Amino acid sequence: KNEVEQSPQNLTAQEGEFITINCSYSVGISALHWLQQHPGGGIVSLFMLSSGKKKHGRLIATINIQEKHSSLHITASHPRDSAVYICAVRRLKHGTASKLTFGTGTRLQVTL
Amino acid sequence: NAGVTQTPKFQVLKTGQSMTLQCAQDMNHEYMSWYRQDPGMGLRLIHYSVGAGITDQGEVPNGYNVSRSTTEDFPLRLLSAAPSQTSVYFCASRYIAGTGELFFGEGSRLTVL
Repeated sequence: KNEVEQSPQNLTAQEGEFITINCSYSVGISALHWLQQHPGGGIVSLFMLSSGKKKHGRLIATINIQEKHSSLHITASHPRDSAVYICAVRRLKHGTASKLTFGTGTRLQVTL
Repeated sequence: NAGVTQTPKFQVLKTGQSMTLQCAQDMNHEYMSWYRQDPGMGLRLIHYSVGAGITDQGEVPNGYNVSRSTTEDFPLRLLSAAPSQTSVYFCASRYIAGTGELFFGEGSRLTVL
């Protein structure tokens, strides 16, 4: 079993829909990242969370440390939101720098 | 700010050839890292560095070499390319302290024939 599991793997939505992508993890962490990767493109950091909730525009990220679970929500989805969304966890620090473990990503397609 | 710059974007190699993927950042980040991305798998850490002169292995270091002579540059060397090294490679950097936000390069698609 992977240490970081995302669901769903693939998601198709119509423009305007509310979208939720889930991330569950099985290790102790100090922080969780949500990343966005457009087709053929680079990777952009959306959020870094260690507790609670963060909001940026139409994107909302939440984390429940006790339940080892995080969600990424997109309100009023738009075709430009079509991308792969990746969850990554920073393991509790050991040595000089803690490392990230990545999920396999959720591929989102938003249609008109 | 250029951020994280990776070159080349695309490369085709023959088995046994060597090459270097370049990575440079202009944000004075202490931490730099190389990942590979393969279909159906999460990004996997190859090597990382927490400062000039300091490097360490990640999950999948075999067949790769790195060095960090300056804060800005972190090249990844493939010593003798194998088809199993066909992948998309990403360089990333961040401050060790602070928010820990990770900045990625645009990626380098490598094909080994």
